[in-house]
Amino acid sequence: DTGVSQDPRHKITKRGQNVTFRCDPISEHNRLYWYRQTLGQGPEFLTYFQNEAQLEKSRLLSDRFSAERPKGSFSTLEIQRTEQGDSAMYLCASSFDGIGGEQYFGPGTRLTVT
Amino acid sequence: TQLLEQSPQFLSIQEGENLTVYCNSSSVFSSLQWYRQEPGEGPVLLVTVVTGGEVKKLKRLTFQFGDARKDSSLHITAAQPGDTGLYLCAGARGFQKLVFGTGTRLLVSP
Repeated sequence: DTGVSQDPRHKITKRGQNVTFRCDPISEHNRLYWYRQTLGQGPEFLTYFQNEAQLEKSRLLSDRFSAERPKGSFSTLEIQRTEQGDSAMYLCASSFDGIGGEQYFGPGTRLTVT
Repeated sequence: TQLLEQSPQFLSIQEGENLTVYCNSSSVFSSLQWYRQEPGEGPVLLVTVVTGGEVKKLKRLTFQFGDARKDSSLHITAAQPGDTGLYLCAGARGFQKLVFGTGTRLLVSP
């Protein structure tokens, strides 16, 4: 399977703990995006990378959130000192430069903060 | 501020019926994408439209991009239970972030 993969698929953590999610994009895609989706809503943009450069961050991305894409391949999203409001589905997508720039999504990581 | 409004928010129909989902915005987008999402899974891309007035057909699904590239519609002919899911439209400006609509939850009963 050459689609976008995310790990883990589910994460349950206690409030105050740190968590890290990983995303492996489609191999030839140079752009990688993170979104967050809460129940009953469409995904909301968090941040995106072109190769290893982080080009845009949403104001939703508080200072407790950090994302990296060190070698322009996989990416990690870390949340420090988790809060119950961080409970959501975290989605990763990738795309390549071209007309339409379609973004292909991974299966997501469901985070539950207790 | 939600830039893309979808209607209806929820639709429950019988197998064989036709339906249309609308996606409206006051903003212009360079392209618009439609996704379908199953519970607990990521959105799956159905189609991308990039030209104002463009119409694309995928089997029983017909997608249209408005002339001004601010709105779009999805029409399903003879809906089947397998069409059940959350339908999301998403606007893009170049290669930047997608702005998603509010979603339309479709339930097709046998």
